Amino acid sequence: VMTQSPLSLPVTPGEPASISCRSSQRLLHSNGYNYVNWYLQKPGQSPQLLIYFGSNRASGVPDRFSGSGSGTDFTLSISRVEAEDVGVYYCMQGLGLPLSFGGGTRVEIK
Amino acid sequence: DVQLVESGGGLVPPGGSVRLSCAASGFSFSTSWMSWVRQAPGKGLEWVANIKEDGSEKYYVDSVKGRFTISRDNAKNSLYLQMNSLRAEDTAFYYCVREVVAATHAFDPWGQGILVTVSS
Repeated sequence: VMTQSPLSLPVTPGEPASISCRSSQRLLHSNGYNYVNWYLQKPGQSPQLLIYFGSNRASGVPDRFSGSGSGTDFTLSISRVEAEDVGVYYCMQGLGLPLSFGGGTRVEIK
Repeated sequence: DVQLVESGGGLVPPGGSVRLSCAASGFSFSTSWMSWVRQAPGKGLEWVANIKEDGSEKYYVDSVKGRFTISRDNAKNSLYLQMNSLRAEDTAFYYCVREVVAATHAFDPWGQGILVTVSS
């Protein structure tokens, strides 16, 4: 089970933001990688991949997004929020089947 | 451009069947694991099923086992989801996704999604 917090996050443009994701099982593989991915679903759009293996940015993702954590606790951080970052963020565990997502965190501009 | 385009959704009565298709382009489909992910209207994401590059391995979430079948045709760069014995709780947008990083099942890109509504 993947548990995200907070459910909703009002943010101020230019300020940092972070989202937490906690897993009920350890997601650190024996190869040293954490099998956690992060996605953003902007309003009216399909989700898009932001981070894989816990901390690797996907192609084209701005460097203001970063992923951290290990084992069971993970964080998605945005160094300086921009208006285009609004939407729902999901973490996902990719270690075992069935694959599972967190419930989502809605980021909105204050 | 890497692209996934779903088709085949619509209104289906409870107990009915529907087959979703996904046309892939812009990448090597035959060397990619593929998945279906669904999202009930206004709700979160749920992984449904995935299939290995050559179709030899298929996995499903428990709630659809025995009712849904994932398949692919690499010659046609197409992914399918046969959905039988549909229930109201299967109502959702269904997304076709490529597992761009297969080891961790990182999904990219996502199709635009196709709505399946199960209702009488």
